Amino acid sequence: AQKITQTQPGMFVQEKEAVTLDCTYDTSDPSYGLFWYKQPSSGEMIFLIYQGSYDQQNATEGRYSLNFQKARKSANLVISASQLGDSAMYFCAMREPGTYKYIFGTGTRLKVLA
Amino acid sequence: NAGVTQTPKFQVLKTGQSMTLQCAQDMNHNSMYWYRQDPGMGLRLIYYSASEGTTDKGEVPNGYNVSRLNKREFSLRLESAAPSQTSVYFCASSGLKQGTDIQYFGAGTRLSVL
Repeated sequence: AQKITQTQPGMFVQEKEAVTLDCTYDTSDPSYGLFWYKQPSSGEMIFLIYQGSYDQQNATEGRYSLNFQKARKSANLVISASQLGDSAMYFCAMREPGTYKYIFGTGTRLKVLA
Repeated sequence: NAGVTQTPKFQVLKTGQSMTLQCAQDMNHNSMYWYRQDPGMGLRLIYYSASEGTTDKGEVPNGYNVSRLNKREFSLRLESAAPSQTSVYFCASSGLKQGTDIQYFGAGTRLSVL
């Protein structure tokens, strides 16, 4: 069965520094998609970035980039130049291959320090 | 710029009461989802609807029913609420963005069952 693991319950980062949030996944299917969502204290879920298993390059979206290491089954989110507004919960998710079902990790709470 | 709209935002029920959570999307998406979010457990899929007229069970369907009323609306019903159903409920819809199926979430419904 597919699984998403986020091993960091909480992280701190100094403002303007970069931070990496870890995500590992488990699937035996060669075709899959990986997603990162941000959940600020207001509660909504905001889509950040997507990586497909066949994508040749790591995904980037503004200050967000995905460090995709297929052999290690990891899809870590890198946030560059952290801002106070980046303080939030971050969830890694995977779409089950061949279905419309998504699996979410347990999340990492990021706190950006001034 | 509504996106996914959930009602109500907050609800308190007594054990055994019933209620329906409403969800509507205006993005013409085929797929819609209901999740629950509990502390330390990320998001868990309750039910999903791949297209109008179809519904399927997710990871935690017991105690819930759903109706895909039309393409826009997907409701979640608790027939006899239990304290274990105290949670934050999210509705989502998904559609293609630059060739990738992306989920978009509503703001959530915070439900307490006493």
